[in-house]
Amino acid sequence: GDSVTQMEGPVTLSEEAFLTINCTYTATGYPSLFWYVQYPGEGLQLLLKATKADDKGSNKGFEATYRKETTSFHLEKGSVQVSDSAVYFCALQPGGTSYGKLTFGQGTILTVHP
Amino acid sequence: GAGVSQSPSNKVTEKGKDVELRCDPISGHTALYWYRQSLGQGLEFLIYFQGNSAPDKSGLPSDRFSAERTGGSVSTLTIQRTQQEDSAVYLCASSLQGTTGEKLFFGSGTQLSVL
Repeated sequence: GDSVTQMEGPVTLSEEAFLTINCTYTATGYPSLFWYVQYPGEGLQLLLKATKADDKGSNKGFEATYRKETTSFHLEKGSVQVSDSAVYFCALQPGGTSYGKLTFGQGTILTVHP
Repeated sequence: GAGVSQSPSNKVTEKGKDVELRCDPISGHTALYWYRQSLGQGLEFLIYFQGNSAPDKSGLPSDRFSAERTGGSVSTLTIQRTQQEDSAVYLCASSLQGTTGEKLFFGSGTQLSVL
């Protein structure tokens, strides 16, 4: 079945450091890929998405490119801020009629220090 | 309402009791999802409703779990004869049409603790 594997955390960085959170997936067909974020005390919210190969999703300085050849969707940010401290989830949505059945990674805790 | 609303926010129950968790989706959203988040785990799919279609129940872990969605709006997740391994955060989400690539809007969840 479908699966998503994220790099294990927690990840601790200093402000303005470069961030990469790795995400790889296994799926049949042509899934859509997402990054969701959960800030402290808040619900999950969509950060960015890509719906086909080679698409790049971007938002709030974060980027991720849908790489079908490496089955990856790594999240990057050039300069993190303290306010980026949160839990980040990579997710896969299958194509076809099973699109309601998203598969999430384990989540990666990011802490950014001033 | 402005967002997905879940109640209660916290529920403590004794092993063997039944519990009901409620989800109010965003008005007009036809798709509704239930997920479970256990400590140190990712989100686990439970069930998915789309309009008037039969729900996708393939993620429900046992026959103690059931869910319904009345009138295409409010949903209730029921866990019968709760066990300690049912302790988790139960998240509800909704989306406008339930189509590929669509954004899900999540509620804040119900923290269930089974003693």
